[in-house]
Amino acid sequence: AQSVSQHNHHVILSEAASLELGCNYSYGGTVNLFWYVQYPGQHLQLLLKYFSGDPLVKGIKGFEAEFIKSKFSFNLRKPSVQWSDTAEYFCAVNPRKLIFGQGTELSVKP
Amino acid sequence: DTGVSQDPRHKITKRGQNVTFRCDPISEHNRLYWYRQTLGQGPEFLTYFQNEAQLEKSRLLSDRFSAERPKGSFSTLEIQRTEQGDSAMYLCASSTQTSGTYNEQFFGPGTRLTVL
Repeated sequence: AQSVSQHNHHVILSEAASLELGCNYSYGGTVNLFWYVQYPGQHLQLLLKYFSGDPLVKGIKGFEAEFIKSKFSFNLRKPSVQWSDTAEYFCAVNPRKLIFGQGTELSVKP
Repeated sequence: DTGVSQDPRHKITKRGQNVTFRCDPISEHNRLYWYRQTLGQGPEFLTYFQNEAQLEKSRLLSDRFSAERPKGSFSTLEIQRTEQGDSAMYLCASSTQTSGTYNEQFFGPGTRLTVL
């Protein structure tokens, strides 16, 4: 069955710390991979996406993710987080409709 | 605002009642999706439409759930005989669809359903 697993449910960081959120997926075919973010009180927004080509993709607000096919992983990174990055982050895979992980809540302390 | 809109934003109902939610997609988007999100979980796919055709339904979508998109524009999701387990955020998303190409799904704010 297709599935997405996010390693951490809740991550707490101080401002300027580096961030890496893990995501592993299970899907047999060609995948499109995504990270969505949901800021408090707002709706889901696309952070970045991978379709093909360069496995290192850059998104908005300084986020990037690396697709490692051999590890079925698509981890999200940011070198230096800000308080405004406090949000819930969802990894997703799309054959035709989005299959989401359970989400990681990121809290950044000022 | 030209984003995806959903109505109502909040709905409280008693067990056994029927509820209907509406989603208005971005006007040029021909694909429309419904998802359900419960506390502490990611959104789960329910169904999607291409224009007025309902192309796929999840096994999560029991017989009490029905969705329509009669003119290929707005969509409604109806839940009959609501149960407490139906309490969740119901999300709508829309996208364009070009053959062989995936296009980004844009999400609405959701309708939060509470079944008492």
